Parts: sequence; C-alpha cells; structure tokens
Amino acid sequence: QVQLQESGPGLVKPSQTLSLTCTVSGGSISSGSYYWTWIRQPAGKGLEWIGRIYTSGSTKCNPSLKSRVTISVDTSKNHFSLTLSSVTAADTAVYYCARSPQTGCFDYWGQGTLVTVSS
Amino acid sequence: QSVLTQPPSASGTPGQRVTISCSGSSSNIGSNYVYWYQQLPGTAPKLLIYGNNQRPSGVPDRFSGSKSGTSASLAISGLRSEDEADYYCAAWDDSLSGVLFGGGTKLTVL
Repeated sequence: QVQLQESGPGLVKPSQTLSLTCTVSGGSISSGSYYWTWIRQPAGKGLEWIGRIYTSGSTKCNPSLKSRVTISVDTSKNHFSLTLSSVTAADTAVYYCARSPQTGCFDYWGQGTLVTVSS
Repeated sequence: QSVLTQPPSASGTPGQRVTISCSGSSSNIGSNYVYWYQQLPGTAPKLLIYGNNQRPSGVPDRFSGSKSGTSASLAISGLRSEDEADYYCAAWDDSLSGVLFGGGTKLTVL
C-alpha cells in the first residue's frame, strides 16, 4: 500500500520561500509511470493544482504559479519536494502531495499539511 | 475562479438519487477524461471516479459518472448520511496545460 506524507514548516514569513517534502513509502518513487503532484487548498475553498514531476524528472506547473514554483525529486530518499518563493498570505493553505497515474487522476494522497504565511 | 463549473451545493434525503454537474469547455472536459473526488470533512480528497465513468476498487456502485460533450455528471443513488461531503470534478486542460478542478459541491444529506 503506497503512502505519502508531507513535511515542512507550518509557518512561513511573507516574501520568504515555502519548502515542503513528500515522502513516499510502500513503493519506489522511481518505479512505474507516475506523476508526483502537489495540490493545495485554502481554508474553506477548493482545490488548486500546483504542479507535478514525472518519474523521469520532467516537470509541469500551474501557469499562475509557474514563476515561483520548483518541484524536484530525490529518488535516493524516495521523496519529492516543492518550493514556492515570494509567498504572501494568499499562499496560506493545506498542501497535499499525491500520486497521479494519469493526468487529472490522483489515486493516493498525503494527509495534507497546513502552511500559514504570516509575520 | 474555476473554469470547471459546479453548483456550490446539493442536497437529498436518505435513499434518494442526486446528481452533481460539472461544466467545462472543449479544451478540458470536451477532450479529456473527467475525474471525481470525494472530500469528507477534515480529510484528504479520495478518488471516486476515473476515466469519466470508472470506479476504483472499493467505491460502491451507488456512485456513477458520465460525460457528454463538455459536461460531466456524478450521480449518487441510495443516498446515505456518510455521503455528506464535498465533491470535486477535475480534468486536464489542453490550453492551460495543467489540471483544472471544479469549485466543489457541498452535498448535504437531509
């Protein structure tokens, strides 16, 4: 059974960089053909796709965030990461990582981690 | 602002059948698969329907999906109290070159 777990600071100051890691267990991140994805959800609001990294390392990000987002993978540690630069209060949200066997399909999710942007 | 449009709320009584719509365009629903997610309060979303109308193992057959043109629907039959949740549709958008989610529909079981 694949499991994903997000980790990282719960509080980030405005203008700084948000960094999160998603550790995958129950399977190798480099096996199979999956997109490893980040999704976020502001409190009381809907889901927003942030971006993904493929097993090969290629990435694709939401154009609305593209200039601030970096997604990377470390196969030796079986995890992938998100960095979001120049954060503002609008970036406050629960951040989820998920496995995607097809574009738009997210079959395994982490439990989510709340990141608050505040001074 | 979501490009996939869902009604913000829906409701039904136990045993009833309810449907939730998801309206898009030719660049998303019209040319790509639609997925549906169920999000119970305080939890991560769960995949409910993939490939327009396929259920992952473990999802009851009370849940069904359909797609026609640039719109899709999720139907829940034999409504149960535990179905009370937020439901989201999702699809790849060729113009955006990314995944779009609907704004979500809050289902209330009366």
